[in-house]
Amino acid sequence: GESVGLHLPTLSVQEGDNSIINCAYSNSASDYFIWYKQESGKGPQFIIDIRSNMDKRQGQRVTVLLNKTVKHLSLQIAATQPGDSAVYFCAEVDNYGQNFVFGPGTRLSVLP
Amino acid sequence: DSGVTQTPKHLITATGQRVTLRCSPRSGDLSVYWYQQSLDQGLQFLIQYYNGEERAKGNILERFSAQQFPDLHSELNLSSLELGDSALYFCASSVDEGAEAFFGQGTRLTVV
Repeated sequence: GESVGLHLPTLSVQEGDNSIINCAYSNSASDYFIWYKQESGKGPQFIIDIRSNMDKRQGQRVTVLLNKTVKHLSLQIAATQPGDSAVYFCAEVDNYGQNFVFGPGTRLSVLP
Repeated sequence: DSGVTQTPKHLITATGQRVTLRCSPRSGDLSVYWYQQSLDQGLQFLIQYYNGEERAKGNILERFSAQQFPDLHSELNLSSLELGDSALYFCASSVDEGAEAFFGQGTRLTVV
């Protein structure tokens, strides 16, 4: 399949452990944030989102934390599974919703 | 399946040529976004349309243009192609600006 970003930062975790992927964003006016998962050869897939009036949002096995003070976003994946292996991107969206700015991505590698 | 359809999936063409990439958004989605993804870069925002109207421009070269038609499908035109234009081109759609965007599987363009 297509390789994305051969020089991406990589996070390796043992199957069953929790994963934390971090992202710094740049625009303090951004008010909507999304995490995407991209598997090899596929388009980015929506995981979870959060608006700037929240600091935490939980989904199924995933939690997103937003710290507006330091412009930091994190994605926590509980009980990481082999199927979670992918590149994860955070995206910030300006308050007009016209521009999704993606971070550089982090490659998550789940070890058996 | 995100519901966003992109054609063709693969395209090989020579330098100096012109190609058109097509995107059909999810049913009911009014907003369409185009992104370029190269191996050495993340997802670069190119341009966004909402209900037929151009709303935002990112790092889109003058050799590239796009449009959104009355039936809401969109086309990205790439002309005077260079080797460096080889990349994955993704289209995404959302029901409204500021809503979560769903990505197609991408068109892989190879310029030889």
